[in-house]
Formats: sequence, structure tokens, C-alpha cells
Amino acid sequence: NAGVTQTPKFRVLKTGQSMTLLCAQDMNHEYMYWYRQDPGMGLRLIHYSVGEGTTAKGEVPDGYNVSRLKKQNFLLGLESAAPSQTSVYFCASRPRTGELFFGEGSRLTVL
Amino acid sequence: KNQVEQSPQSLIILEGKNCTLQCNYTVSPFSNLRWYKQDTGRGPVSLTIMTFSENTKSNGRYTATLDADTKQSSLHITASQLSDSASYICVVGLSGGYQKVTFGTGTKLQVIP
Repeated sequence: NAGVTQTPKFRVLKTGQSMTLLCAQDMNHEYMYWYRQDPGMGLRLIHYSVGEGTTAKGEVPDGYNVSRLKKQNFLLGLESAAPSQTSVYFCASRPRTGELFFGEGSRLTVL
Repeated sequence: KNQVEQSPQSLIILEGKNCTLQCNYTVSPFSNLRWYKQDTGRGPVSLTIMTFSENTKSNGRYTATLDADTKQSSLHITASQLSDSASYICVVGLSGGYQKVTFGTGTKLQVIP
């Protein structure tokens, strides 16, 4: 039982490049979330999903897109990376009523 | 605006000593309050969760208290260990469809020998 797994763990991009972060959970959770964590700030919600095939915007969705084609996977895409997107990204999942489980994070640097 | 403020920002204590971390919130409508531990380079891990009707919850050497009237919570760590060195994040949940949460910025605790 791996919990929440994020790939890749580290990535360096040049401005304008695109990439996708993958989040996979094996707990059959309904809800999945993508957050970013920046120094001196609390975790901020980018996008979330309440079930397979559904996604919604969070607090800071600009510049990101997501997809949830399968219940266990939640993908975060950056179409044209910007230096302001340098951050640590965390995926989390939870059942309908219950605790959040976080992945180990993906550290992204945009040059 | 829903906010969660934590104090102190950072704290250094000697191994074996106790410490208390504070969390004040202005989140409404309140649903629950959680404390997470985040080791450096890792994801947050849940320590405790309290609803409106609960005013204390323990998890080993960690004891969280909640005063919903004053909108304050504290996390008390007893007999600290080196492994307690981490950031501790207060998270307040709102009532609502997907139970939106607001994260504090965390208190960075360092336990030294």
C-alpha cells in the first residue's frame, strides 16, 4: 500500500517549456488535490477533483491544467512554465469524509 | 478573509523539554481543525483532528487543544525528541461541499541535543 505517489520528485524546466506532474493514489479515495508550497506561505490549492472525470479550480489555478481520467490518477500540467511557478507541489487525496493524505512532493525549478 | 496564523514562526528547544505552538484562526464557518507535522523534504502527515465539540485530542506526546469561542488552538509537545524537529502546520476546515481547508504557514521547530 504505497499511499500517494508523485512523479517526478525533481524537475528543472526552462521558461516556456511544458511538463506534467503525476499523482497516483491506491486508497480508492474520491477527492484529490494539487497544492503548491512556497516559502513563508501556507499551502495553496491549485486545482481539485471530487471524482473521476471532474475537476475544479482552487485558489491559484492560473497557468495550470489538470485531468482526472482515472479515479486513482490526478495529473497537473504546466503548458508554458514561468519562473513564478518555481515551487514545491504536493498532491493529496482523501475519502468523502476523512483525513488528507499527502504525497512526498515534487520540487520544480523554472529557469 | 479566512486566515490561519501560527506562532512562533520558529522555535529552538533542548531535547527533553516541552513546548507549545499556537494557532489563531478567523475561518468561518468552522468545521474542524487539524495539526500536521512536515519533516524537511517530505509531505505533511496528520497528527490530530478536532471538530467543534472537541477541546482536546492527544496522539502520543502530542496534545492539541481547541477553544472554538476564541478561535484558538495549541499543540503541546511533551518530552521533545530530536525526531520532533519539523514544521508543524495548523489547518482549519470549513463546512462545505468539498470541505475547503485553509493552511497556516507553520511553526518550524528545531530540537537540539
